[in-house]
Amino acid sequence: SQELEQSPQSLIVQEGKNLTINCTSSKTLYGLYWYKQKYGEGLIFLMMLQKGGEEKSHEKITAKLDEKKQQSSLHITASQPSHAGIYLCGATPLDSNYQLIWGAGTKLIIKP
Amino acid sequence: DTGVSQDPRHKITKRGQNVTFRCDPISEHNRLYWYRQTLGQGPEFLTYFQNEAQLEKSRLLSDRFSAERPKGSFSTLEIQRTEQGDSAMYLCASSLARGGRVSSPLHFGNGTRLTVT
Repeated sequence: SQELEQSPQSLIVQEGKNLTINCTSSKTLYGLYWYKQKYGEGLIFLMMLQKGGEEKSHEKITAKLDEKKQQSSLHITASQPSHAGIYLCGATPLDSNYQLIWGAGTKLIIKP
Repeated sequence: DTGVSQDPRHKITKRGQNVTFRCDPISEHNRLYWYRQTLGQGPEFLTYFQNEAQLEKSRLLSDRFSAERPKGSFSTLEIQRTEQGDSAMYLCASSLARGGRVSSPLHFGNGTRLTVT
């Protein structure tokens, strides 16, 4: 079973619309990472969050980490076909110094 | 930036055969990780190296799996007597870690897709 809960499992969004993906942990996290994966390929790093309340943006993607460092959201504004793929959150729990735990991923489909 | 490279991209083998995969990490990265991923799941940790030392191996990992990183650079993952349940994507990642914590994101290769028939 996955140690990070991601929601939703899949998402179909009209091109141009906004969307949010959530990632929740039962443990306090040292750091949280967002990755994107296309079918049959490796994971591409998007953003890393380490401080409670931290928010980072890159182009039209914004990621936030809550103050308790147990929940993160990934928000895409004005979605484009290039945003389609599987979004995965990974995290380092406070009681681990090397291993990432992972969510199962959110499959994002963009309808033209 | 050459990134993390994995070879081969695809491997089809018959049950009972041995297979070996190679990973070349980003050159300045001291940590190297192996993960396994099946459809609809996040990566499952297999093992990791700090330089040439294998520091942790998943308790779920069968003795048929072995990994090496002989000179602290490239790594190999060998699966002996493959079973159909070994079919998966095998991902390698590297990172730069100072002290005990992961201090940089993991950079992944494109993986090796193994199919055991």
